[in-house]
Amino acid sequence: IQMTQSPSTLSASIGDRVTITCRASQSVSVWVAWYQQKPGRAPNLLIYRASDLQSGVPSRFSGSGSGTEFTLTISSLQPDDFATYYCQQYQYNSYSAFGQGTKVEIK
Amino acid sequence: QMQLQESGPGLVKPLETLSLTCTVSGGSISSGTYHWGWIRQPPGRGLEWIGSINYRGDTYYNPSLKSRVTTSIDASRNQFSLILRSMTAADTAVYYCGRTNWDSSTGPWDYWGQGSLVTVSS
Repeated sequence: IQMTQSPSTLSASIGDRVTITCRASQSVSVWVAWYQQKPGRAPNLLIYRASDLQSGVPSRFSGSGSGTEFTLTISSLQPDDFATYYCQQYQYNSYSAFGQGTKVEIK
Repeated sequence: QMQLQESGPGLVKPLETLSLTCTVSGGSISSGTYHWGWIRQPPGRGLEWIGSINYRGDTYYNPSLKSRVTTSIDASRNQFSLILRSMTAADTAVYYCGRTNWDSSTGPWDYWGQGSLVTVSS
């Protein structure tokens, strides 16, 4: 199963609503997670099971979708949010694949 | 607060074997139903799941790497390890260890090590 993210790069301003999309090559139900990664750092889990917010993650982050199409939304972009975002599909004890990443840049 | 720390060589020669260890602190590797695993990231590129193990020793591997990978767990030392054989330049990457947040070997990953850069070069 492949995960295709779009866009690959996104330019936005502070306060903008930002949406990143991930499409699966076949249905993955709700088994999708989203991560934020900053340069030189490990990824940080934001969303799991498509829409569950990881503990400690700001509520401006939200996830939605099921089947083959998934979305990560940042409701009001903050300075700390400029980073690269990855989706991941994870099949129970089977297979996992990450999307190629979306870099969110300052406009 | 749980912390994970990778250790191992930063340089491996082509066709040799990589051995990495992840030491877990702030929690027991034997508690819960979590899986402990490895994810890598070539420089400037995306993430790839390598394989995972749970406290019972059940292992799960990425099919594309399965023939070259072995993971093991040492509960007495609160450590788990990765062996990747027949290394090539394509295996040059930052290697992360991590923990899943439920009883699945493939994710999602809620705790990560800081990462260990491994370069394959003669």
